[in-house]
Amino acid sequence: HSALTQPPSASGSPGQSVTVSCTGTSSDVGYYNSVSWYQQHPGKAPKLIIYEVNKRPSGVPDRFSGSKSGNTASLTVSGLQAEDEADYYCCSFGGQKIFGGGTKLTVL
Amino acid sequence: EAHLVESGGGLVQPGGSLRLSCEASGFTFSTAWMIWVRQAPGKGLEWLASIKEDGSEKYYVDSVKGRFTISRDNAKNSLYGQMNNLRAEDTAVYYCARDMGRFTLDVWGQGTMVTVSS
Repeated sequence: HSALTQPPSASGSPGQSVTVSCTGTSSDVGYYNSVSWYQQHPGKAPKLIIYEVNKRPSGVPDRFSGSKSGNTASLTVSGLQAEDEADYYCCSFGGQKIFGGGTKLTVL
Repeated sequence: EAHLVESGGGLVQPGGSLRLSCEASGFTFSTAWMIWVRQAPGKGLEWLASIKEDGSEKYYVDSVKGRFTISRDNAKNSLYGQMNNLRAEDTAVYYCARDMGRFTLDVWGQGTMVTVSS
């Protein structure tokens, strides 16, 4: 069973919007509305920023949003800020390899 | 505020064993699914195992079945991970996390480093 597929890197300038994709299959992303996204800064633990495709935990800025179409989920970061530079991982219920490979977001 | 603190990591020789602990506070531990996740140096996140609130159900990734055992003691608000027959590829930071359902992992510990080397 393959891990969810994410682009290894993404980038944008401050104030811009960036979208990170997460492609799974009809057995995971496409079947369940249980996609979550995690932000991880170097040397830190992951932090939940999106759950159930498009819900934000309390305290997460509304600059972060999630969506899903078919077997692909997406995380969009609007109004990029320097502190958004981090690794982002998607996660989906439905298989053994529940995490994507991660996307390193660089703020130019 | 919900909080998780892992301990038990360290340097161990190949073939050795280690017991990881994760102490919970700030929430009702006995009503939460819990999981272990690891991250090899410079690599991504890997789910290892999950355990139901009362410990009656346990699930493992195939790569650690037979070598990793997840358990919990709700009286001590603690989660455990027993690792046996360790290999170099088990070198990683090990995190415990609370699973709010279908891998919505809303609380994470700070992680504990396990290094397998002779």
